[in-house]
Amino acid sequence: DSGVTQTPKHLITATGQRVTLRCSPRSGDLSVYWYQQSLDQGLQFLIQYYNGEERAKGNILERFSAQQFPDLHSELNLSSLELGDSALYFCASSFGQGIYNEQFFGPGTRLTVL
Amino acid sequence: ELKVEQNPLFLSMQEGKNYTIYCNYSTTSDRLYWYRQDPGKSLESLFVLLSNGAVKQEGRLMASLDTKARLSTLHITAAVHDLSATYFCAVGLNNNDMRFGAGTRLTVKP
Repeated sequence: DSGVTQTPKHLITATGQRVTLRCSPRSGDLSVYWYQQSLDQGLQFLIQYYNGEERAKGNILERFSAQQFPDLHSELNLSSLELGDSALYFCASSFGQGIYNEQFFGPGTRLTVL
Repeated sequence: ELKVEQNPLFLSMQEGKNYTIYCNYSTTSDRLYWYRQDPGKSLESLFVLLSNGAVKQEGRLMASLDTKARLSTLHITAAVHDLSATYFCAVGLNNNDMRFGAGTRLTVKP
């Protein structure tokens, strides 16, 4: 158990809908990262927040957005969902914001878009 | 564009044997991570390699990094069934982006 929690574990929704995934980092960690894992694209970095501010952006679609709240939990919002958005979404956390910080991954949210 | 290539992608080996998984990448980086993922589970951090020549060992696994060759290796010694999993390498970029390889699915047979 990494100490990173994610809810919900599973989410089934329809195309065109909007969902919100939630992540709570390990106690004391200030950075949160979001990743998408799919059969087509493999593991992809989406976005990073540090202490409430966006720090890095990867292959995140414009339909997706994220934020980190004052209590350091983060939410990933996915809108206008398409079949291809079906994937495992992982959140990870680290203490610092820099490039040398080890990341600890949560259990993931499995999103199925029908 | 940065490419991270792992090979092999699939590896079936007998218990007790040794093998090496390779991770090649196409850009300058001095930060290389190895992760393990069991089916349906999350990623578990195995090694963080932060400099040229770094070598780390944990049990039957040993990882190394050659930044000049842009190559990292994960060596498995005397494999046991519990090592069956998918292993990912990931390359860290200066903008905090991290790019993963496609993963190596390892099956250790008795």
